[in-house]
Amino acid sequence: NAGVTQTPKFQVLKTGQSMTLQCAQDMNHNSMYWYRQDPGMGLRLIYYSASEGTTDKGEVPNGYNVSRLNKREFSLRLESAAPSQTSVYFCASSPITGSLPNEKLFFGSGTQLSVL
Amino acid sequence: KQEVTQIPAALSVPEGENLVLNCSFTDSAIYNLQWFRQDPGKGLTSLLLIQSSQREQTSGRLNASLDKSSGRSTLYIAASQPGDSATYLCAVRNDGGFKTIFGAGTRLFVKA
Repeated sequence: NAGVTQTPKFQVLKTGQSMTLQCAQDMNHNSMYWYRQDPGMGLRLIYYSASEGTTDKGEVPNGYNVSRLNKREFSLRLESAAPSQTSVYFCASSPITGSLPNEKLFFGSGTQLSVL
Repeated sequence: KQEVTQIPAALSVPEGENLVLNCSFTDSAIYNLQWFRQDPGKGLTSLLLIQSSQREQTSGRLNASLDKSSGRSTLYIAASQPGDSATYLCAVRNDGGFKTIFGAGTRLFVKA
């Protein structure tokens, strides 16, 4: 049972470089999410996809783009990385259909990104 | 806008002690509340989920309560063990939305 798989686990970028973080889930979940975690600030939602074919902004979307490639995969792209984007990035998924209040979030193990 | 606060930010207790972690939220129109555990360098693992219609949930030595009217939840850990050392995060999902808002977490250290 792989669950939610994120790649890469670690990445170092120079300011201005671009990269894509990959996320895949094998639980047939409808909803997928990208969060960033910074010290003392908890997790903040960057973008989410309520279902295949839809994406929406979260709390901190500036500087990021996302693609819901299919039901399994949800990628996060940094077009021109900045030092302020140094963070740990987590992908999550949920069976959330909007109709049941007992749907949990399942997380990947994270990507530690440093932008120099 | 929903805001989630966890106090204290860090807590150190001797092994065997019972303890309570606190979570407060500003908008009582929640769909559910989840408590997560995060070990250093790892992802988050869901511990308990309380639906808006429920008052508490229990799993082993863990008990989570929810008081929507006061905007509070507590996570009670009985007979703490060194293996319980981790960061515990509270997260709230609002009615009608897909977003889950997290608190900054409480870092727990249980001394042997």
